[in-house]
Amino acid sequence: AQKVTQAQTEISVVEKEDVTLDCVYETRDTTYYLFWYKQPPSGELVFLIRRNSFDEQNEISGRYSWNFQKSTSSFNFTITASQVVDSAVYFCALSGWGYKLSFGAGTTVTVRA
Amino acid sequence: GAVVSQHPSWVICKSGTSVKIECRSLDFQATTMFWYRQFPKQSLMLMATSNEGSKATYEQGVEKDKFLINHASLTLSTLTVTSAHPEDSSFYICSARVPRDISYEQYFGPGTRLTVT
Repeated sequence: AQKVTQAQTEISVVEKEDVTLDCVYETRDTTYYLFWYKQPPSGELVFLIRRNSFDEQNEISGRYSWNFQKSTSSFNFTITASQVVDSAVYFCALSGWGYKLSFGAGTTVTVRA
Repeated sequence: GAVVSQHPSWVICKSGTSVKIECRSLDFQATTMFWYRQFPKQSLMLMATSNEGSKATYEQGVEKDKFLINHASLTLSTLTVTSAHPEDSSFYICSARVPRDISYEQYFGPGTRLTVT
């Protein structure tokens, strides 16, 4: 069974602050993929990143960065210098054998001007 | 990139009627598609896995006679909500896998917002 836990339900920050979203996962698969998606008010899921279980390199893309630590089963996401446009619900997800995606509960990020 | 469309983007129907939602892969052939349901302020829950040319596999607790899934071609899967009731009002999202893509990634449609009155 797969499980993704996003313990933070809501985070509110002032513009230009950094915000870190936590994601902890459980799986018995040795090969799996982790994802982060953004869901703005329109509802359409926006893909942010994919990371496979064999690649523990951290990644930075503009103001976004991700920290994957297999030892703690965590895949955390940081938005640096947040902007109002970053306000959305962010989902962490896990896909293993059988390709089924398990989503975390989501974290609502509100960035205030 | 792989593009998935859904139609309609929103629909309002009366209680007791049926409504069909289409999911299309526009620039690739999808042997496997997935249907999710998302209630307000909740996460996405997988309803079923749709495989082209075979019966869909439903997740536990999902009524297969109520949510009919047909994957008749490599680019189209449909979800029909039969005898809809207000509690079926939700955001329905489909996704598709690119065959032989080893990344496990799914490409998501924009979603269909269903309101049953």
